[in-house]
Amino acid sequence: AQSVTQPDIHITVSEGASLELRCNYSYGATPYLFWYVQSPGQGLQLLLKYFSGDTLVQGIKGFEAEFKRSQSSFNLRKPSVHWSDAAEYFCAVGERSYIPTFGRGTSLIVHP
Amino acid sequence: GAGVSQSPSNKVTEKGKDVELRCDPISGHTALYWYRQRLGQGLEFLIYFQGNSAPDKSGLPSDRFSAERTGESVSTLTIQRTQQEDSAVYLCASSPTGYNGYTFGSGTRLTVV
Repeated sequence: AQSVTQPDIHITVSEGASLELRCNYSYGATPYLFWYVQSPGQGLQLLLKYFSGDTLVQGIKGFEAEFKRSQSSFNLRKPSVHWSDAAEYFCAVGERSYIPTFGRGTSLIVHP
Repeated sequence: GAGVSQSPSNKVTEKGKDVELRCDPISGHTALYWYRQRLGQGLEFLIYFQGNSAPDKSGLPSDRFSAERTGESVSTLTIQRTQQEDSAVYLCASSPTGYNGYTFGSGTRLTVV
């Protein structure tokens, strides 16, 4: 069965600093990979997705993620964090079954 | 509509009562999903609709939970005889296909007292 691990429950960064949120998955084949962001009181918004091809994926709001098969990882990065990026971030792993498995989420706190 | 709409946004109910949660997907989206998000937890898959059929109900936690969908439009999630452990945010998402990522609604926060 597929599984997703987001090892960091909380991450605190200063505004303007770089960010990396970790995601590791367990899956037999090349999965479909997603990152979602959830602002307080809101639903989840898709940041980016990887299905195949270039392993460095660009998303919205200046985010990118890199698929590393050898490490079973799909870490989310941003070079300079803004205060408005404070939110909950979810990594998800899917397959042709259409139903991804979500990680438990990482809460991003941004200090001014 | 422009996005996935869920109603009500908040619901407080007494233990033992039945509740109905509604989801209006984006027009034309054939796939619809229900998830549950307990406080501090990730998303727990409940049920998936393709059109008005439900190929996967494996996530429904008990027979108190049921869902239906009319054609490729509105879906209703019903929880009978609510329990305190049912308290959570219930999220609905829709997609034209399962490959492209979902569009989520803002959720219904259910509190069972």
